[in-house]
Amino acid sequence: AQSVTQLGSHVSVSEGALVLLRCNYSSSVPPYLFWYVQYPNQGLQLLLKYTTGATLVKGINGFEAEFKKSETSFHLTKPSAHMSDAAEYFCAVSDGGGTSYGKLTFGQGTILTVHP
Amino acid sequence: NAGVTQTPKFRILKIGQSMTLQCTQDMNHNYMYWYRQDPGMGLKLIYYSVGAGITDKGEVPNGYNVSRSTTEDFPLRLELAAPSQTSVYFCASSYTREGELFFGEGSRLTVL
Repeated sequence: AQSVTQLGSHVSVSEGALVLLRCNYSSSVPPYLFWYVQYPNQGLQLLLKYTTGATLVKGINGFEAEFKKSETSFHLTKPSAHMSDAAEYFCAVSDGGGTSYGKLTFGQGTILTVHP
Repeated sequence: NAGVTQTPKFRILKIGQSMTLQCTQDMNHNYMYWYRQDPGMGLKLIYYSVGAGITDKGEVPNGYNVSRSTTEDFPLRLELAAPSQTSVYFCASSYTREGELFFGEGSRLTVL
């Protein structure tokens, strides 16, 4: 069984400040990890993913995340927040296409607010 | 290229009514999924399909049914609607089994 915990349901930052959204997972097999973003009244879209290889992955809009196996974490960061980053962010895990057929287990989401 | 299209976008149902949420994708993806999203709960998988004619239950299938007669379409049927089914429903598709999903814009359902 897999699970995802996102620490902090709401995060507020000032424009230009560092964005850090925390995600911890549990998985009995090597995980594939994802961050999705949801803008108001829209579906989710993929920000970035970790499958295998390099543990630091870069995504769209200047976001990146680092897979740390020892800490079972996959935190999302962006050096400088922009007003357009305001959205809800979801961390998700799959078993890499083993028997789960691409099914994702999602965290509960973190709403990011960016202040001018 | 439309991607994943869901209809309707909004619907209000009375308790006990039935309805079908439509989902179609034009990317020739084999894998399709239905999730529901409730505030503070993330997304929960209702049903999924790995190809035409093949469907299986997800985490929260009770009160729902699906079919997959073609690669493109994956409708979700709600029988005997209950207030607990008030939610936002998302259809998604994928060309791999790794988990990189393409989502529709969602269908907001209210059961009164």
